[in-house]
Amino acid sequence: AQSVTQLDSHVSVSEGTPVLLRCNYSSSYSPSLFWYVQHPNKGLQLLLKYTSAATLVKGINGFEAEFKKSETSFHLTKPSAHMSDAAEYFCVVTMGRRALTFGSGTRLQVQP
Amino acid sequence: SAVISQKPSRDICQRGTSLTIQCQVDSQVTMMFWYRQQPGQSLTLIATANQGSEATYESGFVIDKFPISRPNLTFSTLTVSNMSPEDSSIYLCSVARTEAEQYFGPGTRLTVT
Repeated sequence: AQSVTQLDSHVSVSEGTPVLLRCNYSSSYSPSLFWYVQHPNKGLQLLLKYTSAATLVKGINGFEAEFKKSETSFHLTKPSAHMSDAAEYFCVVTMGRRALTFGSGTRLQVQP
Repeated sequence: SAVISQKPSRDICQRGTSLTIQCQVDSQVTMMFWYRQQPGQSLTLIATANQGSEATYESGFVIDKFPISRPNLTFSTLTVSNMSPEDSSIYLCSVARTEAEQYFGPGTRLTVT
């Protein structure tokens, strides 16, 4: 069975500093991995996805993630946080039949 | 891509009643899913909506509580039956053309009083 663990429920950074949101996955085959963002009272927005092509994936709004098979990780990073990045972030893995398993989420706070 | 609409966008319902949520996709897709997001929680898969056959439910979800219809490849409904306050959630429809192409509807925010 596929699963995903987001290692931090809350992350707080100062504006202009780097962001690191950690995600580890478990899968019995080569999965597709995603990061979604959800702003308060808004829908889900796809940030980026990994689908067995390049291991370093660039997404929208300056975010990127690196797929590391040896570490079973797919951490999300951004060099410089912006106030508008404050939101809930979900790491997601496919379940082998196109359905998705969501991580528990990481709430990112950005301090001025 | 796929554009998904859901109706209603939100509703407030009384305990013991039922609500049917509609999901419409702008093109034919094979795989359609229903997810639930309880307040402050992540998303959980309720079921896979199968066209022409019974939906496939995940552990903890049953057809009597969440009946699903999928009459064609562009439309599905999810009914939340005999509602209780614990059913207050956002319900999301999604479609997947491939494993990597996943699209979500805007969600239906349900409050049960």
